[in-house]
Formats: sequence, C-alpha cells, structure tokens
Amino acid sequence: QKEVEQNSGPLSVPEGAIASLNCTYSDRGSQSFFWYRQYSGKSPELIMFIYSNGDKEDGRFTAQLNKASQYVSLLIRDSQPSDSATYLCAVGTGTASKLTFGTGTRLQVTL
Amino acid sequence: NAGVMQNPRHLVRRRGQEARLRCSPMKGHSHVYWYRQLPEEGLKFMVYLQKENIIDESGMPKERFSAEFPKEGPSILRIQQVVRGDSAAYFCASSFLAGGQETQYFGPGTRLLVL
Repeated sequence: QKEVEQNSGPLSVPEGAIASLNCTYSDRGSQSFFWYRQYSGKSPELIMFIYSNGDKEDGRFTAQLNKASQYVSLLIRDSQPSDSATYLCAVGTGTASKLTFGTGTRLQVTL
Repeated sequence: NAGVMQNPRHLVRRRGQEARLRCSPMKGHSHVYWYRQLPEEGLKFMVYLQKENIIDESGMPKERFSAEFPKEGPSILRIQQVVRGDSAAYFCASSFLAGGQETQYFGPGTRLLVL
C-alpha cells in the first residue's frame, strides 16, 4: 500500500466547473497536509495547507481534511484553463519533517 | 523578497563524474529539504538539514550521495560517480517554524542529465 495515494487521472473538467481532487494517506500519525500544483517542467507551487479536520477556503480553492477517514481533498471552483496542471498531495508527520508525496493527479480544464 | 534559489538549473554530466547542486533558502528560513523527482514519478524525500546539521537522511542512497548546509553559504547536494539512473530533477525546499507549523517552499530545481 502506497503511503499517499492519488488517482493519476487525467481528470477532465469543463471551464467553470468544480474540480475535485482526492488523496488518501496511510500514516495515522500524519499532522500536516499540503496541496501543491506543478506545471510540466516546473517546480511544485504551494496551493493550500491544512492541519485540522474540516474545510479551509482560500479564494477558489477549498481543502478538506478528515483524519478519521485518512482523507484529504482539494476543490477548485470556477475551473480555468490555467488550472490545468498536476496536483500533488503531500503529508507531513511532525512540525518539522519530510513530506511524503502522492504521484499527483493531472487536471485538464477544457474550453 | 527572493524565493528559494537553486543552481545550476540544468547540469549535464558524463557517467563517473561528480555533480554538485546548490540551494540557497529563502531569507529567514533555516530548514532545507532535498527531494528528487524521477521522470514520470512522484517527489521523493532525500535529506533534511538545518545549519551545520543533518536532521534526517533516511531518503539518501547509502553510497555516492552526500549533503551539507554549512554555517555560511548554500546547501550542497553532492553526487559522486554519477550513473544514468541519477538523471532526475532535484528540488530543494526551505521552511521555518512559526507557531508550531511549517510550510515548505520549493526552488526551481536542478535538472541533472547523465550521459
């Protein structure tokens, strides 16, 4: 079982729709959760972080965390073609620790 | 406010040569992490350093790879006697602790090609 699992996609959504990206993790001791966006050939760019159960909203992005189910998700509202990228879920186990990454979900926003 | 800086951005080496990758963290950041991304694979943790200390090197290959973060100057990831399988993107991330929370910010990466 992979430590952090994501559906590789591609996930295709029309422009203006909501994109829903999901991630599960295996380590119950995980404390910090991150979503990074990576365009092809570029470095990961931080989108959201969440530490507590529930929802956290920032602009068009909402991160959702359910520690009991070991599940974290990212919703992108009003998807734009510029949102087309690979979205990486990352999990940390302590206040200063390495991140374990999923293999990423490729999102395609179509016109 | 400069972000995380890495150089070189691209590095070509022949098998058996040495590769030195440099990372300057964001101003005020004292933690440096190195990750490797192989083609079509996810990011894999290699090593976590603070100034003059290796905190976690559980992801480092046992041979040929070393890392340092001296008191002055950038963090260095050194790969000796490179092989073709070392071809990858190497990313550095820096962070600092605030309120018991830490967020890692990535540099642009060094793309290593071993011929």
